[in-house]
Amino acid sequence: TQLLEQSPQFLSIQEGENLTVYCNSSSVFSSLQWYRQEPGEGPVLLVTVVTGGEVKKLKRLTFQFGDARKDSSLHITAAQPGDTGLYLCAGSGGYQKVTFGTGTKLQVIP
Amino acid sequence: DTGVSQDPRHKITKRGQNVTFRCDPISEHNRLYWYRQTLGQGPEFLTYFQNEAQLEKSRLLSDRFSAERPKGSFSTLEIQRTEQGDSAMYLCASSLREGADTQYFGPGTRLTVL
Repeated sequence: TQLLEQSPQFLSIQEGENLTVYCNSSSVFSSLQWYRQEPGEGPVLLVTVVTGGEVKKLKRLTFQFGDARKDSSLHITAAQPGDTGLYLCAGSGGYQKVTFGTGTKLQVIP
Repeated sequence: DTGVSQDPRHKITKRGQNVTFRCDPISEHNRLYWYRQTLGQGPEFLTYFQNEAQLEKSRLLSDRFSAERPKGSFSTLEIQRTEQGDSAMYLCASSLREGADTQYFGPGTRLTVL
């Protein structure tokens, strides 16, 4: 069974601070996605990373896929209240199944 | 809008009743997935289809749950004799190609069983 553990589970920070969310597994994934989910809505895709060591930037968000494709991180610079939400990583390992992480609930206080 | 759509968005039912949810995937996507999500947790895989074929079912999917995708387009998820423990968000996602691929999610159906 492939498991993805995210840390921290909860994060409450002030507007303007930086933060990093981690997604770790003992399994190798062929690709990894990061999603953001707001209450009562479905997850919205932020990025897909495929290559070990890959770094992708999306405005103030920086995503990195570990060299061994077992872990990933999401770094947010100068967090804003609009970044508040549940951040989910999801790994594609087998040819059909996606495993979701445990989630990181982020609150950015104005 | 050509994203994944789900209907209804919210459903409140009494214990013991049957409910059915519908998912319309992105039109050219041949893979469709159902997940269940409880508050503050990540989605848990229930089942998935490639075209009309149901290829995998999680052990979370008890005999009271059934899913269909009769024409390889929209899908339905039915829960019979609902229980309070079935209360959750039911999410549908679709993806384009075979093999590991990015899944795009619908807005979900929030089920409350009283």
